[in-house]
Amino acid sequence: AAGVIQSPRHLIKEKRETATLKCYPIPRHDTVYWYQQGPGQDPQFLISFYEKMQSDKGSIPDRFSAQQFSDYHSELNMSSLELGDSALYFCASSLPTGNVMNTEAFFGQGTRLTVV
Amino acid sequence: AQSVSQHNHHVILSEAASLELGCNYSYGGTVNLFWYVQYPGQHLQLLLKYFSGDPLVKGIKGFEAEFIKSKFSFNLRKPSVQWSDTAEYFCAVTFTGGGNKLTFGTGTQLKVEL
Repeated sequence: AAGVIQSPRHLIKEKRETATLKCYPIPRHDTVYWYQQGPGQDPQFLISFYEKMQSDKGSIPDRFSAQQFSDYHSELNMSSLELGDSALYFCASSLPTGNVMNTEAFFGQGTRLTVV
Repeated sequence: AQSVSQHNHHVILSEAASLELGCNYSYGGTVNLFWYVQYPGQHLQLLLKYFSGDPLVKGIKGFEAEFIKSKFSFNLRKPSVQWSDTAEYFCAVTFTGGGNKLTFGTGTQLKVEL
């Protein structure tokens, strides 16, 4: 079965550089979530999109931005990278929810970003 | 603010021992509850979930969890662990009005020794 695809799997950037992470949701899933998991930490919600519109926002720095495109894939853009941005970035997708919260999110394998 | 807590940060068990990992949340409204497992270097995999109905839910790999609403708890159990269960386990919750974003607990690192 198709899963959530994230690219790249690994990324090494220098401080102050920019990075773009991509997420391709499961077919027919129109909701995408981004999470950041620092070393030894629990995943923290960054941002989500539903039908190409931002649906919720968590602890996402102003240096980060994201969008969802017409084919429902999403990109997380990170600028002025800092050492503390080194983390595993997960994308998850779910079926259309509307106002229903009983849905399951499926996670991708993550992008490991290392800032040096 | 809504939160999720896992009290056991590190657990070491011998194979065939029984497992119970605690998870509590703070929120008075409706919740959906999840347990995820993360093997070293891997992504999060869903073990089981509770939306409504029977508070005792069974998941994959022999895991089960019980939702006790009065205690705001959703503890994970397995009667007999295996070496391959060595991983990190996360409890997660979605809250009414919080969309479907997951709030995770801090995780429990389980090590199963042969």
